[in-house]
Amino acid sequence: AQTVTQSQPEMSVQEAETVTLSCTYDTSESDYYLFWYKQPPSRQMILVIRQEAYKQQNATENRFSVNFQKAAKSFSLKISDSQLGDAAMYFCAYKAGNQFYFGTGTSLTVIP
Amino acid sequence: NAGVTQTPKFQVLKTGQSMTLQCAQDMNHNSMYWYRQDPGMGLRLIYYSASEGTTDKGEVPNGYNVSRLNKREFSLRLESAAPSQTSVYFCASALIWIESQYFGPGTRLLVL
Repeated sequence: AQTVTQSQPEMSVQEAETVTLSCTYDTSESDYYLFWYKQPPSRQMILVIRQEAYKQQNATENRFSVNFQKAAKSFSLKISDSQLGDAAMYFCAYKAGNQFYFGTGTSLTVIP
Repeated sequence: NAGVTQTPKFQVLKTGQSMTLQCAQDMNHNSMYWYRQDPGMGLRLIYYSASEGTTDKGEVPNGYNVSRLNKREFSLRLESAAPSQTSVYFCASALIWIESQYFGPGTRLLVL
């Protein structure tokens, strides 16, 4: 069975600093996709960034970047220059075929 | 362009009652998904529809049925609600299965 583990239930970061959220996954597939979603208090899930497993280059979207270590099955999210609007729940997700698996989330607090 | 819409936003049911959660997307996406989100458990896939005319079970399908009414709409039905189905339900869509999913705002369901 595929599983996604987020070992940090809560994290905090000072405004303008950098924070890294951890995610590991378990799979026997070679072709899959990884995602980070943000869920603010409004509850709507917002895609932050995605990574295709076949790509060696780490994905980047403005202040958000990932560190994808395929052999270690690790997929961490780095948020640079943190802003108050980054405060939210962050979910790591794995997709293979038509199945999607989510981690339990990391609650990020941004301290002014 | 409204994206993914869900109705209702909030619903209270008594045990044994039935109801249908509605989801519609206006992005011409082929794939649609239903998830439930429970505290401390992340999101779990209930059912999905890879394309119009097809539906398949996800991780937690028991107690639910779905209908892909047309390309735009994907409904989730609870035939006989149980307190264990108290949750927040999210609908999502994707252009094709390998693409990122776009989520609706969620439906909060309370079963007494």
